[in-house]
Amino acid sequence: DGGITQSPKYLFRKEGQNVTLSCEQNLNHDAMYWYRQDPGQGLRLIYYSQIVNDFQKGDIAEGYSVSREKKESFPLTVTSAQKNPTAFYLCASSNSGSRGTQYFGPGTRLTVL
Amino acid sequence: GESVGLHLPTLSVQEGDNSIINCAYSNSASDYFIWYKQESGKGPQFIIDIRSNMDKRQGQRVTVLLNKTVKHLSLQIAATQPGDSAVYFCAETPIFYGGSQGNLIFGKGTKLSVKP
Repeated sequence: DGGITQSPKYLFRKEGQNVTLSCEQNLNHDAMYWYRQDPGQGLRLIYYSQIVNDFQKGDIAEGYSVSREKKESFPLTVTSAQKNPTAFYLCASSNSGSRGTQYFGPGTRLTVL
Repeated sequence: GESVGLHLPTLSVQEGDNSIINCAYSNSASDYFIWYKQESGKGPQFIIDIRSNMDKRQGQRVTVLLNKTVKHLSLQIAATQPGDSAVYFCAETPIFYGGSQGNLIFGKGTKLSVKP
């Protein structure tokens, strides 16, 4: 099956802890993205990567970090510096950085206890 | 700042009727638009897209209309079914968004409810 996978589906963490969300794609897409979605809201861009070993901040990058060591993987770390981390996190990928349609994974719901 | 928005946060239709979901965008430089469907607890699914050199594009039971004069985008769903119940987002790609092409700007979404 081709697609984007995110794990885990649900994640709980205590305040002050860092946590890493996984995103993997086997679509051979160059570009990958991380979004945050809050209840009743649209998607806000956290980080994106258009090529391996390169990534750029999105609109709300503070308190988050990413890496892009492999084309198929783009993990997101939510650090303790993120003031309000409870949200639904969505990963996406696209064929190229030039206005390719983005395809989304199933999402990870992070809850900070 | 410039953003993509939707006229109505909720829309309720009877099963079998046609649905029209509207979206206004403010960036006249945007040249690519996408509609996504998001069911509860899931990631958005691509429905249909349209480029700015087109006014209309049809898919299976869905049609997207683009009016560049008034910067308006709409999604029409024919013979709406219970399975169409979801939140629908429009998204745009401004040509020079943050200096990097390909990034999408999403509206807040319209929740479509289909009554049996």
